[in-house]
Amino acid sequence: GNSVTQMEGPVTLSEEAFLTINCTYTATGYPSLFWYVQYPGEGLQLLLKATKADDKGSNKGFEATYRKETTSFHLEKGSVQVSDSAVYFCALPGGSQGNLIFGKGTKLSVKP
Amino acid sequence: ETGVTQSPTHLIKTRGQQVTLRCSSQSGHNTVSWYQQALGQGPQFIFQYYREEENGRGNFPPRFSGLQFPNYSSELNVNALELDDSALYLCASSLPGTGVYSGANVLTFGAGSRLTVL
Repeated sequence: GNSVTQMEGPVTLSEEAFLTINCTYTATGYPSLFWYVQYPGEGLQLLLKATKADDKGSNKGFEATYRKETTSFHLEKGSVQVSDSAVYFCALPGGSQGNLIFGKGTKLSVKP
Repeated sequence: ETGVTQSPTHLIKTRGQQVTLRCSSQSGHNTVSWYQQALGQGPQFIFQYYREEENGRGNFPPRFSGLQFPNYSSELNVNALELDDSALYLCASSLPGTGVYSGANVLTFGAGSRLTVL
């Protein structure tokens, strides 16, 4: 079945630093890939998605490119802010049911 | 457009008790799924409801059960609570079908119900 492996944290960065959170996947076919974000005390919010190989999803300065060759979907941001402190989850569909399979999450803390 | 709302936000139960968690789906969404998120882990799929019937289930025992009502709201029931059931329970709503695979559909999550079992 489909699975996802995500870089474990925590990750601590200074404001304006460059961020990369690694995510690799195993899947049947070429499913869409997702990054979700969970701010403290809240549920998950979709951050970005990519629906086919070589697609780049982007939102709020975050980007991730669907790399079929390396089965990866790494999350990047050029300059993080304190408000980006959250837990980030890589995800892909589990099957035809419409459920998602999530990575274990990477906690990001950004210091001023 | 209202989002997904869950209640209660926090609750404490003792081992062996039963709990019911509630979820109202986003306006226009008729599919509801439930996830369990243990501390420090990613969410794990429990089950999904569409047209008031369970149409998908993850690796959870039968003491985890649910309902969906005609207005698309949903309940998650857990019987014979165990200590390991302590977690954040997330409800997500979406449109039906396999759209998640193609990216056509997106799951919209509620803020969750945090259950502590003592």
